[in-house]
Amino acid sequence: EVQLVQSGGGLVKPGESLRLSCAASGFSIVDAWMSWVRQAPGKGLEWVGRIKSKAAGGTTDFAAPVTGRFTISRDDSKNMLYLQMNSLKTEDTAVYYCTKLAAPGGWGQGILVTVSS
Amino acid sequence: QSVLTQPPSVSAAPGQKVTISCSGGSSNIGGNYVSWYQQLPGTAPKLLIYDNNKRPSGIPARFSGSRSGTSATLAIIGLQPGDEADYYCGTWDSGLTSLWVFGGGTRLTVL
Repeated sequence: EVQLVQSGGGLVKPGESLRLSCAASGFSIVDAWMSWVRQAPGKGLEWVGRIKSKAAGGTTDFAAPVTGRFTISRDDSKNMLYLQMNSLKTEDTAVYYCTKLAAPGGWGQGILVTVSS
Repeated sequence: QSVLTQPPSVSAAPGQKVTISCSGGSSNIGGNYVSWYQQLPGTAPKLLIYDNNKRPSGIPARFSGSRSGTSATLAIIGLQPGDEADYYCGTWDSGLTSLWVFGGGTRLTVL
């Protein structure tokens, strides 16, 4: 069974950085295309970015609002996924989910990131 | 402002059928598989339908999906109170910098 457990959220000031972690079990993260999705308070889902499987090159792609500020990485030995968020803005405030969008699918529990002065 | 257009809300009585539409374009729905996600209040989304019409293990057959041209539809029959949730369509988009796109979401109310 796919399980994703997230950690690392919190309150930060605009311009600061934060790293989210996602511990995977039930599958090997190296073989999966993994994404980060966020949901601003009271809003819909917004795709943030993804990392391809190692076999597909392991490259990353990002949505326009976070390109150049966010990076995604993976520690295959620990089966962990990370989202490094730099130069945070107030509009980045949201619940962030790590997810395996492809079937059978899997979502982390979500973690709140609040960017406020 | 979502690339994929869904109705903001739908409603129906228990036991009835409801459909939720998702409209896009040739660069997304028209050329890629569609997935549907269910988000119960206060919880993380869950994959409901993938590859337009396939159900992951554990998803009841009451839920079905279809795609025609640049639109997709989620149908739920035999509505239950526990189906009350937000539903999102999603797919890859080859025409934008945002490679995966979601619909704006549809709130299902079971009357």
